[in-house]
Amino acid sequence: GAVVSQHPSRVICKSGTSVKIECRSLDFQATTMFWYRQFPKKSLMLMATSNEGSKATYEQGVEKDKFLINHASLTLSTLTVTSAHPEDSSFYICSAAGTNYEQYFGPGTRLTVT
Amino acid sequence: KQEVTQIPAALSVPEGENLVLNCSFTDSAIYNLQWFRQDPGKGLTSLLLIQSSQREQTSGRLNASLDKSSGRSTLYIAASQPGDSATYLCAVKDTSGSRLTFGEGTQLTVNP
Repeated sequence: GAVVSQHPSRVICKSGTSVKIECRSLDFQATTMFWYRQFPKKSLMLMATSNEGSKATYEQGVEKDKFLINHASLTLSTLTVTSAHPEDSSFYICSAAGTNYEQYFGPGTRLTVT
Repeated sequence: KQEVTQIPAALSVPEGENLVLNCSFTDSAIYNLQWFRQDPGKGLTSLLLIQSSQREQTSGRLNASLDKSSGRSTLYIAASQPGDSATYLCAVKDTSGSRLTFGEGTQLTVNP
């Protein structure tokens, strides 16, 4: 099956700094990538959808200047959390979809902001 | 706006029991419905995907049904095992074929 990786799996950063999370599709070309955020014991909340070479489409209530998404190639998307605050601490999961539109999920990244 | 609800939120059963997890959605115009498993601190593993034209899908001890007109799906787990302990998430895909809306999940514990 299709494999999606995320790096890092865990990251701790200080308030005010920026942190980048990578999402890679390892064995297929992902025309669309999705970024989700998951709070403890809650559902996945879609943050944004990105198509290769285009600007990301953000969901209502998600600050695009705070959560920068870049989908520079068909196998890589990055999410940068800028000027991180403790309330940004969460589990971030990406997914990647190819031409069949089925989403394949990464293993997630646990972000802790101190 | 699509809303997905899963009942119960948590379930604890003894090993060997058959069990049913429920998922309901408000907009019946869906492309497909998918059940996922999530272990603590991990990503999602796809279990079963039911297209909107299908009524059910089976994989091993798992059987998922879909009643699109009533906005309901069930995940049946036969002969549960401790290794089945996880959170089970239901997600529906809209008719554009791209957007997934998730329920909040059912946290299952199977006791030996």
